[in-house]
Amino acid sequence: EIVLTQSPATLSLSPGERATLSCRASQSVSSYLAWYQHKPGQAPRLLIYDASNRATGIPARFSGSGSGTDFTLTISSLEPEDFAVYYCQQRNNWPPTFGGGTKVEIK
Amino acid sequence: QMQLQESGPGLVKPSETLSLTCSVSGDSISRYHWSWIRQSAGKGLEWIGPVYNTGSTNNNPSLRSRVTMSVDTSKNQFSLKLRSVTAADTAVYYCARDNGSGSGLSNYFDIWGQGTLVTVSS
Repeated sequence: EIVLTQSPATLSLSPGERATLSCRASQSVSSYLAWYQHKPGQAPRLLIYDASNRATGIPARFSGSGSGTDFTLTISSLEPEDFAVYYCQQRNNWPPTFGGGTKVEIK
Repeated sequence: QMQLQESGPGLVKPSETLSLTCSVSGDSISRYHWSWIRQSAGKGLEWIGPVYNTGSTNNNPSLRSRVTMSVDTSKNQFSLKLRSVTAADTAVYYCARDNGSGSGLSNYFDIWGQGTLVTVSS
């Protein structure tokens, strides 16, 4: 199965700053990659699918890019509600797999 | 607005069967495909398998022989049974809606339940 490695494990930033999160796949997943936001005690939220398509209702400050093995989630200007854990997930190969997550915390 | 809610015992003894139900509100379960996903401290997020709106299922090869899933359209629910559990099955279990349309899976998950913690311990 495909292994997704996310970096960094923790990102310490202030509101208003730009966040750049990385996800690297052990082999090509084409553009079949999604990003999720997860806050404690809440349901995970789909942000981006097919590497760069924002899901319904997702603010424009969230953007995704990449293809093949290297992907990036960018939050252009962090809002207080954006501090959470972010996961990438691939669907190109069976079974779908998730990365280990990046925690975006308040600096 | 669609909502999903997992329910079931929070504590299961080793070697027994874990049984969970996902109740869907806000739309008909027959219109979509569904999945079970779990999150453990040791393995992170792990996809367990899909439940098609036809009632067909498939499983992650790592769990295939122990998993049974089903759908009950009359109750707008779908369920998961995991046999012969061990401490490694301790996790938060989520049900989620597949983001696809039509007969196939997208294997992206756009609506999730809040999750239910299941601990395997004697």
